[in-house]
Amino acid sequence: DAGVIQSPRHEVTEMGQEVTLRCKPISGHDYLFWYRQTMMRGLELLIYFNNNVPIDDSGMPEDRFSAKMPNASFSTLKIQPSEPRDSAVYFCASTDRGRGNQPQHFGDGTRLSIL
Amino acid sequence: RKEVEQDPGPFNVPEGATVAFNCTYSNSASQSFFWYRQDCRKEPKLLMSVYSSGNEDGRFTAQLNRASQYISLLIRDSKLSDSATYLCVVSPLNKFYFGSGTKLNVKP
Repeated sequence: DAGVIQSPRHEVTEMGQEVTLRCKPISGHDYLFWYRQTMMRGLELLIYFNNNVPIDDSGMPEDRFSAKMPNASFSTLKIQPSEPRDSAVYFCASTDRGRGNQPQHFGDGTRLSIL
Repeated sequence: RKEVEQDPGPFNVPEGATVAFNCTYSNSASQSFFWYRQDCRKEPKLLMSVYSSGNEDGRFTAQLNRASQYISLLIRDSKLSDSATYLCVVSPLNKFYFGSGTKLNVKP
């Protein structure tokens, strides 16, 4: 079975540009999570969705960040305008909580560098 | 107070050693517990779930102590390939709280 698929794997762009990260969860999973990881702050939950509906976006750092899930097989995380402090690894994860206490499965991540 | 607390280490151990990590959590309503492994510049990968009665997977043993609100991971006969960061995860309802990770270095 295919795991969580993220794209792009790497993104280098200049400050002020719009950045869009993409995620395809595992088929049948009803929860999708976006995380950001840096050396200083560790793994931070940004937002999560249940059945395509955003449930908790309290971790989204500011209005420059937005996330959507138009259908069960696709989600985007957008940063506009980007800033150097947004440089991090962004992970998407999904899980099937309908089957009880299931763990999350992570994508390979997107390494984002804002110059 | 953080939801999940872990000793960041690093734990430096020789090959063949037994090493144990603990992780404490603050939410007594937590329902599910996991250990993940993360290699440098890679995504976290599920190592094992932690069940109330404790569970074992080869050289790895996980324990849960609900009364004291901690989970533990024991690694026996450490291998060089066990070098990584180990993250404990606690889940009350539909959120997952990650510890900051414990770094393990297994030396030849």
